[in-house]
Amino acid sequence: DGGITQSPKYLFRKEGQNVTLSCEQNLNHDAMYWYRQDPGQGLRLIYYSQIVNDFQKGDIAEGYSVSREKKESFPLTVTSAQKNPTAFYLCASSTNLYNEQFFGPGTRLTVL
Amino acid sequence: AQKITQTQPGMFVQEKEAVTLDCTYDTSDPSYGLFWYKQPSSGEMIFLIYQGSYDQQNATEGRYSLNFQKARKSANLVISASQLGDSAMYFCAMREGIQDDKIIFGKGTRLHILP
Repeated sequence: DGGITQSPKYLFRKEGQNVTLSCEQNLNHDAMYWYRQDPGQGLRLIYYSQIVNDFQKGDIAEGYSVSREKKESFPLTVTSAQKNPTAFYLCASSTNLYNEQFFGPGTRLTVL
Repeated sequence: AQKITQTQPGMFVQEKEAVTLDCTYDTSDPSYGLFWYKQPSSGEMIFLIYQGSYDQQNATEGRYSLNFQKARKSANLVISASQLGDSAMYFCAMREGIQDDKIIFGKGTRLHILP
């Protein structure tokens, strides 16, 4: 079955540690996205990538980094520079402009 | 200024009634797309319906329809014959222009369907 996978579903880290969230898609989509969602809030865009080896900052990129070495994969690293990393992180992908984005199940990150 | 505004933080609706979730948007770009997503308590985001700015007719998908009023910059979601499973957060979102691949989300409306 085609879809987007994110792992792990729940992630706990100590303050000051970098952590990498996985996002893989087998939909053959060109574009991939990372969003952050805080309780009771909408989604805020962290980074997005329209093609392999290229990515752009979203609205809240500070403290995060990404890579896009393969079409299927778009990992997100939450660095120690991110002041308040505890949140729900959603990865998405889409085929091209004007098409809807398909979302993964999300990763809930808790920094202790 | 907010690009997407959802003024109803929460709504309670009796099962089988129709419900309208409000969404207004702000853009000066003539080309844009509007989306509605549903987020159950599990957290996944489920795409419901899409409306393009040049579409002549309002979009419909099963029990979902989009009341698109371009002059008012309004894109309300209408759910007919609501069901208990419709209880969730609902997000309105917009993609602007043809160069930008970003989607901007509203803060959402939490819908509760009462038995």
